[in-house]
Amino acid sequence: DVKVTQSSRYLVKRTGEKVFLECVQDMDHENMFWYRQDPGLGLRLIYFSYDVKMKEKGDIPEGYSVSREKKERFSLILESASTNQTSMYLCASSLGGRGNTIYFGEGSWLTVV
Amino acid sequence: AQRVTQPEKLLSVFKGAPVELKCNYSYSGSPELFWYVQYSRQRLQLLLRHISRESIKGFTADLNKGETSFHLKKPFAQEEDSAMYYCALSYQGAQKLVFGQGTRLTINP
Repeated sequence: DVKVTQSSRYLVKRTGEKVFLECVQDMDHENMFWYRQDPGLGLRLIYFSYDVKMKEKGDIPEGYSVSREKKERFSLILESASTNQTSMYLCASSLGGRGNTIYFGEGSWLTVV
Repeated sequence: AQRVTQPEKLLSVFKGAPVELKCNYSYSGSPELFWYVQYSRQRLQLLLRHISRESIKGFTADLNKGETSFHLKKPFAQEEDSAMYYCALSYQGAQKLVFGQGTRLTINP
């Protein structure tokens, strides 16, 4: 069974803080993703990585950066958290190639106060 | 640009009634369409994909290229079908998915 693990389920941070969201997958998947899930807006892609040290901007990259130093780990970074970044963040992974199943983590609920 | 639209944010039906969750997409090429589901307190997971042409948990979905639709259907709804459903599209050359806004389905007893 594919396992995508997000280390922090619930976080509360102050405006201006630097925030790290960590994600690890155990199936040697090439692709990893960070999505943001908001009611009425669905899932929106923040960043995508198709290989170690490779990244590609998604639909809403502003205010975020990512790091992929190892194949199994994909980190989302909020350089200076703002209240409009309060949301559920979903990490996901998939094998390379078009149309492969994407496997999701349980999500990290971030509140910025 | 590629887009997926789910016109209903909320859908409520009675147990045993037919259910249809609508999904429309915009893409000029040959897309791959998926339905993902998120049950309460569970992670988002794949329900079905159009290329498999299979029925999962009684749900089916047919790709209609003429109407650019991929509606999800089940003839007899069950209470355990209550969940959040997302339609998603994978387009040529891309290894990522574009998701719709989601439909929250509630099955009333």
